[in-house]
Amino acid sequence: SQTIHQWPATLVQPVGSPLSLECTVEGTSNPNLYWYRQAAGRGLQLLFYSVGIGQISSEVPQNLSASRPQDRQFILSSKKLLLSDSGFYLCALGGRLTFANTEAFFGQGTRLTVV
Amino acid sequence: GQQLNQSPQSMFIQEGEDVSMNCTSSSIFNTWLWYKQDPGEGPVLLIALYKAGELTSNGRLTAQFGITRKDSFLNISASIPSDVGIYFCAGQLRSSASKIIFGSGTRLSIRP
Repeated sequence: SQTIHQWPATLVQPVGSPLSLECTVEGTSNPNLYWYRQAAGRGLQLLFYSVGIGQISSEVPQNLSASRPQDRQFILSSKKLLLSDSGFYLCALGGRLTFANTEAFFGQGTRLTVV
Repeated sequence: GQQLNQSPQSMFIQEGEDVSMNCTSSSIFNTWLWYKQDPGEGPVLLIALYKAGELTSNGRLTAQFGITRKDSFLNISASIPSDVGIYFCAGQLRSSASKIIFGSGTRLSIRP
């Protein structure tokens, strides 16, 4: 079965510090991978998605970046964090696109607080 | 950009009542998804819909993919305390096959 590993679960970082959140998946190959951010009490905002190694689509201009160095690894990064980067970051796994079966399955999330 | 309009934003109902929430968009979707999120957790998939007009049930939950491909609803029958949480609709756009976007959520609270 497909599983998603996301770490760390919580993170407190000072403004201006770098960020690296890692997501790895198991039980599938060539998946679509997604990074979402959820502000407190709000919906999920799609940040990046990737359909393959080295292929990144950015949805929202910001000081975050994403990389996919391996088929089952998706990394969210920042060189300098802002206070507004605080939130709940979720990695998701989607099936290889066909007409059907494109559900997204989520990891447990990383709660980032920038202080 | 594309948006999903989810309503209501919140609901406060009596235990045992039925619940209905919906999502609409000006864009056409290939897939509609409904998720529930508990505090501090990632969303969990409840129901996935793949065809216009499709009606699918999962226990007390029923969801439908609108005929126009621009809307979907979720019904919960005979609500119980564990139904409390935030429900999200999500969809995969026909115009951008790999993107899955989310509505803003419906927060469900239940009076015992």
